[in-house]
Amino acid sequence: EVQLVESGGGLVQPGRSLRLSCAGFGFSFDDHAMHWVRQAPGKGLEWVAGISWNSGIIGYADSVKGRFTISRDNAKNSLYLQMNSLRPEDAALYYCAKDLNGAKYWGADYWGQGTLVTVSA
Amino acid sequence: EIVLTQSPSTLSLSPGERATLSCRASQSVDSKFLAWYQQKPGQAPRLLIYSASRRAIGIPDRFSGGGSGTDFTLSISRLEPEDFAVYYCQQSGSSPSLIFGGGTKVEIK
Repeated sequence: EVQLVESGGGLVQPGRSLRLSCAGFGFSFDDHAMHWVRQAPGKGLEWVAGISWNSGIIGYADSVKGRFTISRDNAKNSLYLQMNSLRPEDAALYYCAKDLNGAKYWGADYWGQGTLVTVSA
Repeated sequence: EIVLTQSPSTLSLSPGERATLSCRASQSVDSKFLAWYQQKPGQAPRLLIYSASRRAIGIPDRFSGGGSGTDFTLSISRLEPEDFAVYYCQQSGSSPSLIFGGGTKVEIK
């Protein structure tokens, strides 16, 4: 059974940093691109960042470019999101999601349950 | 960058009725990278359709997707009580990226 388990969320002050982690189980982690997608309370889905199977293709939403860094460790079946210079508008539930494909982004066929990030003084 | 516009924003229907949801892209897109998701309150999104018309694993055949170019549709042939939810379309951008539409809420009339 495919499982994605996020961790690392919490309450952080504006301008500070947070690192999210996602552990993948039940599939060949190094065969698939991975994504972070966020959802602010009562709002729609917003893609944050994606990374191909070998970290060769990385993309970011304009809203986080230069502040967030996505990475992966295939030996640990883990995905990460380093979030720096956090803003109140970054507050959301952050989902880790597995892509159907390894390189080109097709869409996410499995999602974690999310980890909540709150940015407030 | 491509913008996906979903309509209507809310669809009020009764169980057993047919639902047709629209997703329009601001420019022609490759249907290979067009997907649909369902999200229920308090749950993560679930992939329904990928490559515009291919059902994901475990998705009932009352869900179907179609379209090409700039216009795509998700149809639910006969609404079941568990189908009342929010639906999102998604396209892969060229950056690379994933782009989501704003969503359509299917509610019980």
